[in-house]
Amino acid sequence: AQSVTQLDSQVPVFEEAPVELRCNYSSSVSVYLFWYVQYPNQGLQLLLKYLSGSTLVKGINGFEAEFNKSQTSFHLRKPSVHISDTAEYFCAVSAHSGAGSYQLTFGKGTKLSVIP
Amino acid sequence: DVKVTQSSRYLVKRTGEKVFLECVQDMDHENMFWYRQDPGLGLRLIYFSYDVKMKEKGDIPEGYSVSREKKERFSLILESASTNQTSMYLCASSFLLAATSYNEQFFGPGTRLTVL
Repeated sequence: AQSVTQLDSQVPVFEEAPVELRCNYSSSVSVYLFWYVQYPNQGLQLLLKYLSGSTLVKGINGFEAEFNKSQTSFHLRKPSVHISDTAEYFCAVSAHSGAGSYQLTFGKGTKLSVIP
Repeated sequence: DVKVTQSSRYLVKRTGEKVFLECVQDMDHENMFWYRQDPGLGLRLIYFSYDVKMKEKGDIPEGYSVSREKKERFSLILESASTNQTSMYLCASSFLLAATSYNEQFFGPGTRLTVL
């Protein structure tokens, strides 16, 4: 079984400042890792994913995340946020093989509020 | 573009009513999923289906059932709605690839259900 912990439920940050949203996971098997974004009153949209290869993953809207296997982390970063980045962000993990690979386990979400 | 549509954005029902939430996808995806999203709890999987007429329980199936008569359509049924089922319900779909492959899930916009 796998689990995901998002360490901050809310993160306020000033416009044009950098931001890091933290995510840790636990799993007994190799995993795929994802960040999804949910804008107000919308469904979830994939921001980026780590499947294999380079541990630094770049996604849409200037976001990137780094996979750290030893620390079982997959933190999301952006060097300069914009008002339009205000949203809720979900980290998710999928098992690498077996029946569990069909499923995503989500963290509880982090609400990013960008302050003008 | 993948499109996942849900029959209603907002729904208000009374306790004890039978409620149907419909989800349709247009990408010929084999897998379909129903999640519920609650503040502070993230997304929790209710049921999923990997083929027509097939279904598997997720993490919180109690009080729900599902139906998949056609590949593109996946229905979530609340047999007797209760106030603790007031929530946001999200549908998702994905391809059925090999167990060691990644299956990106595409989400619908959600149905906000209120049970009075």
